[in-house]
Amino acid sequence: SQQGEEDPQALSIQEGENATMNCSYKTSINNLQWYRQNSGRGLVHLILIRSNEREKHSGRLRVTLDTSKKSSSLLITASRAADTASYFCATDATYNQGGKLIFGQGTELSVKP
Amino acid sequence: GAVVSQHPSRVICKSGTSVKIECRSLDFQATTMFWYRQFPKQSLMLMATSNEGSKATYEQGVEKDKFLINHASLTLSTLTVTSAHPEDSSFYICSAGPARGETQYFGPGTRLLVL
Repeated sequence: SQQGEEDPQALSIQEGENATMNCSYKTSINNLQWYRQNSGRGLVHLILIRSNEREKHSGRLRVTLDTSKKSSSLLITASRAADTASYFCATDATYNQGGKLIFGQGTELSVKP
Repeated sequence: GAVVSQHPSRVICKSGTSVKIECRSLDFQATTMFWYRQFPKQSLMLMATSNEGSKATYEQGVEKDKFLINHASLTLSTLTVTSAHPEDSSFYICSAGPARGETQYFGPGTRLLVL
């Protein structure tokens, strides 16, 4: 069953602007992972953040995690047209044996040149 | 990162036939692999957990006799869609990771179209 919810469902911005996507989940987690998917393609792993971490950076990406609110955010700074894709959060719940991911609904990001 | 491959990337078949999809971890061993299904404009839905050397674990609502999973080795899991029907048309994606609780790497997906 779906655990995560993401907002917004769709986001349209101009190149150079920042894009923020939010993810909420329902149960305790081991980690939360963010993925990117270009239309009709497989998923590309972006960042994994563990339950004891609050923030992680990777290049232009910044992920935060608030376990008390069961929420995470993905910030893409200085966006580019090539960032246009769907972005998903996925949680590895503590009740799992590990590895099984439950995905959020995704945010469709459009970056206009 | 680690590499997961899938084959075929695209398949078109007639209703009633069976289709086998392979998922391979190319540079690591995986005792567990996962199979997901994605319909257009929707998120990924977990179908089942593939366990090397034992039976797969299916999510609620997924028919195990319809979607046969075999995890014959530490680098290969197969999903067979038996007696496929048009409603089985979807994007099937597998994932695997070198260690439990760590990053899951996804295959490029298999687009199945049942006529």
